Amino acid sequence: AQKVTQAQTEISVVEKEDVTLDCVYETRDTTYYLFWYKQPPSGELVFLIRRNSFDEQNEISGRYSWNFQKSTSSFNFTITASQVVDSAVYFCALSEAEMRGSARQLTFGSGTQLTVLP
Amino acid sequence: EPEVTQTPSHQVTQMGQEVILRCVPISNHLYFYWYRQILGQKVEFLVSFYNNEISEKSEIFDDQFSVERPDGSNFTLKIRSTKLEDSAMYFCASRLDSLNTEAFFGQGTRLTVV
Repeated sequence: AQKVTQAQTEISVVEKEDVTLDCVYETRDTTYYLFWYKQPPSGELVFLIRRNSFDEQNEISGRYSWNFQKSTSSFNFTITASQVVDSAVYFCALSEAEMRGSARQLTFGSGTQLTVLP
Repeated sequence: EPEVTQTPSHQVTQMGQEVILRCVPISNHLYFYWYRQILGQKVEFLVSFYNNEISEKSEIFDDQFSVERPDGSNFTLKIRSTKLEDSAMYFCASRLDSLNTEAFFGQGTRLTVV
């Protein structure tokens, strides 16, 4: 069975600080996909990034960066120079290996509520 | 930009009533999902749908739930006899393909059972 753990329930930072959101996962599959989604106060789920298990290269997109370490089963998310608009719940999710025709679902972590204070 | 749309945004219903939550997935997507999120909790998988049939379902998706794709565009979730504990945000999602693609979510329907 797969499992995603986000140990940080809530984080508060002051604007312009960097913040890292932790994600640890468990899976028996050797091929899997990891995701981060953002849920702002309005409630929708916004896709941020997808990562394949065979690609451990870290990724940077503007103020966002992701650190994927297979050895520790972690997929951490860092926001640099945080802004008030970054305040949201952030979910890490896992999807196991897929075959065409098999609609493998996402397993979500419990989310981290990030509050960025002005 | 194409998006998943859900209606209504908020539904209030009395316990025991039937509700239908509606979703229009992105037009060329092939895989469809329903998830739910009880207030303040994690997002939980309910059911996936592909090729006009259920692909997988969770233990939450019991006999009171059903899904349907009645035409080429809509994807519905029906709850036959709602219970108080069905109160949650229900998200529809769609994916282009099952291989290495992300799911796009609708804005959700908040269901309140009173």
